[in-house]
Amino acid sequence: AQRVTQPEKLLSVFKGAPVELKCNYSYSGSPELFWYVQYSRQRLQLLLRHISRESIKGFTADLNKGETSFHLKKPFAQEEDSAMYYCALLGGSEKLVFGKGTKLTVNP
Amino acid sequence: DVKVTQSSRYLVKRTGEKVFLECVQDMDHENMFWYRQDPGLGLRLIYFSYDVKMKEKGDIPEGYSVSREKKERFSLILESASTNQTSMYLCASSLLMDEQFFGPGTRLTVL
Repeated sequence: AQRVTQPEKLLSVFKGAPVELKCNYSYSGSPELFWYVQYSRQRLQLLLRHISRESIKGFTADLNKGETSFHLKKPFAQEEDSAMYYCALLGGSEKLVFGKGTKLTVNP
Repeated sequence: DVKVTQSSRYLVKRTGEKVFLECVQDMDHENMFWYRQDPGLGLRLIYFSYDVKMKEKGDIPEGYSVSREKKERFSLILESASTNQTSMYLCASSLLMDEQFFGPGTRLTVL
């Protein structure tokens, strides 16, 4: 079965602090993993995907197949990073499986 | 610019009513999806469609049906709305089964 676990419902950090949003997955094959973000009163949108290996808005995420993790990291959080973040997995079922989301709050 | 639109931002219906949620995309995407988004439960897939007149059940199809008569339009139907269907409904589309483009959402309240 394909499953995505985001262990933290809520995460609160101060501006300028490092932030890490955790994502663990369960899938026996080679997954494609994504992070989606939803800012307040905006639509859900793709933030980054692991195959592109790029940094978006200062965020990076590395796929660790040994630990079956795809944690999202940013060295210095900004207030505008406050949002709902969803990790998603594309496996053999050909449909995205989303985690339950983590609400990040960056305090001034 | 990619665009997915949903017919209503807010909708209030009564228990037992038939409810139609419409979604239109202008990107000529093959795949379209309906999710519901609930706090603490994340996004749950209701139905998806990978072609006109084709549909597949998602994880929570009970109480819902869908219609895709044209490529650009995907409708979600609640045959007899119930209070436990009060939720935020998100439509999405994608060309390939990876990046999905989402609509703004419809917040449905069933009284």
